Amino acid sequence: SAVISQKPSRDICQRGTSLTIQCQVDSQVTMMFWYRQQPGQSLTLIATANQGSEATYESGFVIDKFPISRPNLTFSTLTVSNMSPEDSSIYLCSVEGQGKGTQYFGPGTRLLVL
Amino acid sequence: QKEVEQNSGPLSVPEGAIASLNCTYSDRGSQSFFWYRQYSGKSPELIMFIYSNGDKEDGRFTAQLNKASQYVSLLIRDSQPSDSATYLCAAIMDSNYQLIWGAGTKLIIKP
Repeated sequence: SAVISQKPSRDICQRGTSLTIQCQVDSQVTMMFWYRQQPGQSLTLIATANQGSEATYESGFVIDKFPISRPNLTFSTLTVSNMSPEDSSIYLCSVEGQGKGTQYFGPGTRLLVL
Repeated sequence: QKEVEQNSGPLSVPEGAIASLNCTYSDRGSQSFFWYRQYSGKSPELIMFIYSNGDKEDGRFTAQLNKASQYVSLLIRDSQPSDSATYLCAAIMDSNYQLIWGAGTKLIIKP
């Protein structure tokens, strides 16, 4: 299994500002995923990030709001731009394991927007 | 619309009993199915996957798949308080890489 770290673990931000979340993996992985999870809710996929290509965004999420970088096979960032209180959530990165559908998750970033 | 449905619970089970968690899916193209466990305040972790009809056992956990009925279940034998968590069911198609997630069932094991 992969070991994944995320920074920051939590943050409190003012509306209108942006926050960049970092995801670091201890091994090279092809596919990385960014999710959002509201308290008590299931996971919502924001985008899939493959190294060397543009991220693929799910319906309801756009690059201007959630730009993603994937500069190499062990690292990715997700930026939450022009934040509003509705962006308050837990943001999780995950990587695909050895089998399709097997994913390992980072510890998450807890974001509160005031 | 591809969907995976779960009863949100909470499902309360006495310690030592069998906990039965259920999941249905709408897309017959779904090929593989996964159970993730998420403790409160923690990230999901994979505990079982299954892709063939029938049962798959791993320790106290048994995953069951019935593709004709589009039904997946997870049985936890000899339930322990440490099994108290939210269990997320997910499905994937062979032609895709994206997991379709259920809303999760909250399981409470009462000592």
